[in-house]
Amino acid sequence: GENVEQHPSTLSVQEGDSAVIKCTYSDSASNYFPWYKQELGKRPQLIIDIRSNVGEKKDQRIAVTLNKTAKHFSLHITETQPEDSAVYFCAASIRNNDMRFGAGTRLTVKP
Amino acid sequence: DGGITQSPKYLFRKEGQNVTLSCEQNLNHDAMYWYRQDPGQGLRLIYYSQIVNDFQKGDIAEGYSVSREKKESFPLTVTSAQKNPTAFYLCASSKDGYQETQYFGPGTRLLVL
Repeated sequence: GENVEQHPSTLSVQEGDSAVIKCTYSDSASNYFPWYKQELGKRPQLIIDIRSNVGEKKDQRIAVTLNKTAKHFSLHITETQPEDSAVYFCAASIRNNDMRFGAGTRLTVKP
Repeated sequence: DGGITQSPKYLFRKEGQNVTLSCEQNLNHDAMYWYRQDPGQGLRLIYYSQIVNDFQKGDIAEGYSVSREKKESFPLTVTSAQKNPTAFYLCASSKDGYQETQYFGPGTRLLVL
């Protein structure tokens, strides 16, 4: 089955710097890649997603890139703010019922 | 954040006891899911349901059971067979089971007494 690896497990940046989180997946048939943000004790919330027919997608300060050949995708956050501090999860799926999540990255943005 | 709710927020289970976690959605979604989240780990799928009266096991279904008698509701029972139930349980729903965004409930934290 699909296996998703996520790096780094923790990331600390200064406010205003950029943050990059990377994920790799094993099943070349995966074609949907969402990113979720989870604040402490709260529910995961979708922040951006990308499908396999697209190489890059941007939404304000957040972007995701996908390299299907290499089977990896990345989350980029620019101009980080303290409220970006949270745990970020990547996921990969062919269909929703086989979605696999990475172990998460704890991002800390220092003021 | 509205649309999918879980109760209770905290639940305590005694040895040998079955407990049931509630999940309700008013989004008119066909598909619903239960995930378990342990510290430092990603979400792992326990059960999913594509449609009323149908559900399938996920990766870690042992010690759990579900029902889907109504479109809006997908309760999860943690049975006494689940020897390590302490975790954060998240319910999710999506419009259907094919690459639609999953929306999560607020979660239930289950603790063992």
